[in-house]
Amino acid sequence: GAVVSQHPSRVICKSGTSVKIECRSLDFQATTMFWYRQFPKQSLMLMATSNEGSKATYEQGVEKDKFLINHASLTLSTLTVTSAHPEDSSFYICSARRQGAETQYFGPGTRLLVL
Amino acid sequence: AQKITQTQPGMFVQEKEAVTLDCTYDTSDQSYGLFWYKQPSSGEMIFLIYQGSYDEQNATEGRYSLNFQKARKSANLVISASQLGDSAMYFCAMREGLRREGNQFYFGTGTSLTVIP
Repeated sequence: GAVVSQHPSRVICKSGTSVKIECRSLDFQATTMFWYRQFPKQSLMLMATSNEGSKATYEQGVEKDKFLINHASLTLSTLTVTSAHPEDSSFYICSARRQGAETQYFGPGTRLLVL
Repeated sequence: AQKITQTQPGMFVQEKEAVTLDCTYDTSDQSYGLFWYKQPSSGEMIFLIYQGSYDEQNATEGRYSLNFQKARKSANLVISASQLGDSAMYFCAMREGLRREGNQFYFGTGTSLTVIP
């Protein structure tokens, strides 16, 4: 299988600060990356789809100005949670998919706690 | 309507026994893919197995097999010879419109599997 990394794995920040999460595909080029959010004991909720070199496509109800996504290269996508608030505390997972392939490979996730 | 339905919030299985995790799906596409992922307590989503809608044979990967019944729109995961390390959440997922870029995955609500020693 393919390998996807995420950094940081855990972050605690103060309310009002911004947090950047990186997602990297380590052994393949990912034309598409996805960002998910998961609340405890719930399923994954897709936040946005990120294609290299173009603007991300956000799901309904996800604030694009709050969750900034940049997919600058074929191996890196970043999610920036701007002006974080306690309600943004969650588990954020990215996934990556090769062009033409069907399987999404997931990163290990980032636990965000906003105080 | 739910795209993916997992009706078993929690399951228990004795170590070394087999267990079936249910998954039904809803799509009008002719071309789609079905996936199973495992999520242990660490949080990482681990890909287990994939079944394409046009695949005639059920997918198998080691101790995992996918019981694909197209007419019933079901894609149950069978884990044989359960091990303690199999205790985790299991998510069924579907991607519609294969070979079209940008289509998202739909995830089920998950089944929590506990393997009893």
